[in-house]
Amino acid sequence: GDSVTQMEGPVTLSEEAFLTINCTYTATGYPSLFWYVQYPGEGLQLLLKATKADDKGSNKGFEATYRKETTSFHLEKGSVQVSDSAVYFCALIYNQGGKLIFGQGTELSVKP
Amino acid sequence: DTGVSQDPRHKITKRGQNVTFRCDPISEHNRLYWYRQTLGQGPEFLTYFQNEAQLEKSRLLSDRFSAERPKGSFSTLEIQRTEQGDSAMYLCASRPPMRVGYGYTFGSGTRLTVV
Repeated sequence: GDSVTQMEGPVTLSEEAFLTINCTYTATGYPSLFWYVQYPGEGLQLLLKATKADDKGSNKGFEATYRKETTSFHLEKGSVQVSDSAVYFCALIYNQGGKLIFGQGTELSVKP
Repeated sequence: DTGVSQDPRHKITKRGQNVTFRCDPISEHNRLYWYRQTLGQGPEFLTYFQNEAQLEKSRLLSDRFSAERPKGSFSTLEIQRTEQGDSAMYLCASRPPMRVGYGYTFGSGTRLTVV
């Protein structure tokens, strides 16, 4: 069945460092891909999305490109801040109205 | 638009008791989803509704679990005869109709602890 695999955390970085969180997926067809973020004590928030191959989603300095050839959707940010500390989830929807399938999450901790 | 509301935020119950959670979606969203999230894991799909119809249930949803969405508005998730393994965060989400590729809006969740 459809699945999402993320790199394991926790990831610890210094402020202003470059961030990459790897995400790969397995799906039949062409799913839409998402990154969600969960700050401590809060609910899941949509960070960015991409609905077709080669689309680049971006928000708040974060970017991810939908790569069909490598079935990947890696999250990147050029310069992280302490306020980016959170758990990041990669997810896919295969069909309209269908369920979101999440990866296991990657915890990011940014130190001053 | 006040977002997706879930009640209660926290629930502690003794093993064997029944519990019920409520979710109020965004009013114009016709689809409503329930997920369960355990520590260190991503949310797992439980079930979803389109209006009042329950269209899909996960195999994770044992016969002790039941969900309803009367009149296609708020939804309830009931767990009967709770077990310690039911301890988790229960998340509700809603989304608008016919929005292919669009993300959901999640509530803050109900954290259940079974002692």
